[in-house]
Amino acid sequence: SYELTQPPSVSVSPGQVARITCSGDALPKKSASWYQQKSGQAPLLVIYEDNKRPSGIPERFSGSKSGAVATLTIAGAQVDDEADYYCYSSDNSGNHRLFGGGTKLTVL
Amino acid sequence: QLQLQESGPGLVKPSATLSLTCTVSGVSMRTGSVYWAWIRQPPGKGLEWIGNVYYSGSTYYKPSLKSRVSISVDTSKNQFSLTMTSVTAADTAVYYCARHEDNWDGEWFDPWGQGTLVTVSS
Repeated sequence: SYELTQPPSVSVSPGQVARITCSGDALPKKSASWYQQKSGQAPLLVIYEDNKRPSGIPERFSGSKSGAVATLTIAGAQVDDEADYYCYSSDNSGNHRLFGGGTKLTVL
Repeated sequence: QLQLQESGPGLVKPSATLSLTCTVSGVSMRTGSVYWAWIRQPPGKGLEWIGNVYYSGSTYYKPSLKSRVSISVDTSKNQFSLTMTSVTAADTAVYYCARHEDNWDGEWFDPWGQGTLVTVSS
C-alpha cells in the first residue's frame, strides 16, 4: 500500500530554519498539502498545491517539491510554531488518499 | 465565514454503529470542485482520511474501511453524515469533518471542524 514518510521529529533553535520532509513515490505527479496541529487543536492548512500559502499563514512558511520529496520550510522558526506537522497526498490512481505519519517540531 | 461543526454521541458500545453529523455554515454545500470529508485521529496517533462525499451524493472511501463506512449528504440542511458499523476499540478517535478541495492541481482540507471524541467502550 502507498505510504508518505516523514521524520518523527525535528528540533531547531528559535530563529533557525526548520525543514520537514515528506517522501512518497507518487509525489512527482501528485501535489502535497501540509497541516499544522497544535496540542489539543484541530489541524490547520499551512501549504497547498506543494507551495501555495493560504491567506493568514505567515510568510515564513513555504513549501517546495523535488522529485518524490515534498518539503515544508519554516524560515526563522518561532516557539509558537511548535506543533505536529502532517503532509497529505494520494497515490497515482487517486484511490489511496493519506496523511504522512506526522513530524513533531520542537523549537527551543 | 465557512465553519463546520461535528455532533453525535461521545460513547458507543463495541459492535454497535457510530453515527456523526457535520453541520456546514457560511456557505452552501452545493459548490463545484468541493467535497466534504471525514478524518479521524486515534489518541496520540496520526491523521487518517476516512472518506468524502460530493453534494450530489457520490462518495469515495478509504479501501480498508469501505465495508463498514457510509457517508451521506443532506443539502437541504447543509449537513453531511458518517456512519460506521461494527465498531471496536480501534475506532476510538477524535473525528473531524472538513471541506475538501479537489481539482486537477491538487487537493487539500480547509477548514476543519473542532473535532469530536468518540470512545468505543462497553
